Amino acid sequence: QQQVKQSPQSLIVQKGGIPIINCAYENTAFDYFPWYQQFPGKGPALLIAIRPDVSEKKEGRFTISFNKSAKQFSLHIMDSQPGDSATYFCAANFGNEKLTFGTGTRLTIIP
Amino acid sequence: ETGVTQSPTHLIKTRGQQVTLRCSSQSGHNTVSWYQQALGQGPQFIFQYYREEENGRGNFPPRFSGLQFPNYSSELNVNALELDDSALYLCASSLGGAQGNTGELFFGEGSRLTVL
Repeated sequence: QQQVKQSPQSLIVQKGGIPIINCAYENTAFDYFPWYQQFPGKGPALLIAIRPDVSEKKEGRFTISFNKSAKQFSLHIMDSQPGDSATYFCAANFGNEKLTFGTGTRLTIIP
Repeated sequence: ETGVTQSPTHLIKTRGQQVTLRCSSQSGHNTVSWYQQALGQGPQFIFQYYREEENGRGNFPPRFSGLQFPNYSSELNVNALELDDSALYLCASSLGGAQGNTGELFFGEGSRLTVL
């Protein structure tokens, strides 16, 4: 119930392409869905987040698509750059700023 | 504005020993959460402290304990270390409480614990 399933585990995309990372959840009590970006040796940093009453949110090159009925959400990165190479985690808030995280996607952008 | 700082950055312990990890929260944040991140995995929630009280705990045994101090800094203590405790321990601070449930956590860079 507390799990968030994330796919793919790794992804290689050419520069300028649009990587898409998918997550699915079961617990309908989750009320906030952030995405975190983590570089090697660093802590996760908040990238973008969405609440379940919204179907899409854009911030710069990053877009979250949210499908409440399917209990799925995804991250799209437009015009991807080598600097976007990192591990991306989806997460879900299960109350008072406590997060359950997906297993992560290692993204590599090839120049 | 000072971000979340953690110490030490790296440490090596042997099985059965005890360890204390420290965290200073971001300025203005009264809530601190601790997460364990095993290699190649997502962070797992250990517990959260709000106003010096434990405010929720994940699926971790009692040998994982914590404290929060009046200045909102926090400690994570792990007793009787096991090999599987080797991980990156992340501290995250947030506004919490009366500021509203934003769900936004700010993470430190972590303390890398190796248990031999």
